[in-house]
Amino acid sequence: EAGVVQSPRYKIIEKKQPVAFWCNPISGHNTLYWYLQNLGQGPELLIRYENEEAVDDSQLPKDRFSAERLKGVDSTLKIQPAELGDSAVYLCASSLDLGSSVSGELFFGEGSRLTVL
Amino acid sequence: RKEVEQDPGPFNVPEGATVAFNCTYSNSASQSFFWYRQDCRKEPKLLMSVYSSGNEDGRFTAQLNRASQYISLLIRDSKLSDSATYLCVVNRRSGGYQKVTFGTGTKLQVIP
Repeated sequence: EAGVVQSPRYKIIEKKQPVAFWCNPISGHNTLYWYLQNLGQGPELLIRYENEEAVDDSQLPKDRFSAERLKGVDSTLKIQPAELGDSAVYLCASSLDLGSSVSGELFFGEGSRLTVL
Repeated sequence: RKEVEQDPGPFNVPEGATVAFNCTYSNSASQSFFWYRQDCRKEPKLLMSVYSSGNEDGRFTAQLNRASQYISLLIRDSKLSDSATYLCVVNRRSGGYQKVTFGTGTKLQVIP
């Protein structure tokens, strides 16, 4: 079975340029996460989707970041315009949550490494 | 104060040694706990869940202390392949959904 697929793996852009990342979760997984990870830090949640609904976007910098998950499957994360401080790894994860009190195991993609010059 | 805190390390230990990591969490409503492993420049992967009664998986033992709000991971007979960052993950209910919070990770380097 295919895992979580992300693209692009690497992206180098100049500041003020836009960038978009794409994520295809594991088939059947209803929950999708976008995390940001800086070097030496743990993943920090940007946004979480339950199916197509964004249920937690409190940490998403909405002035420049946007995300969507059309039809509750694939998702895109966009940054416009990018700033130097946005250089990081953007991780997508998915899980199967059945409404119980315990979240399912998170399966991560390989990440998209962004460098802003 | 961060919701989940870990000593970032690095912990440099010789092969065969026993090493233990702790992780503290601040929200007493936290319900479930996990350890994830992340190799250098790779994505995190689930290592093991942490149960109230403690659980063991081969050389790895996880413990939960709800009263003191910490979890631990013990690795016995360390192997070179255990070198990685170990992420503590805490799960609690928030606004009708599960909130999953990662610690900053503890880096382990096993030395020959």
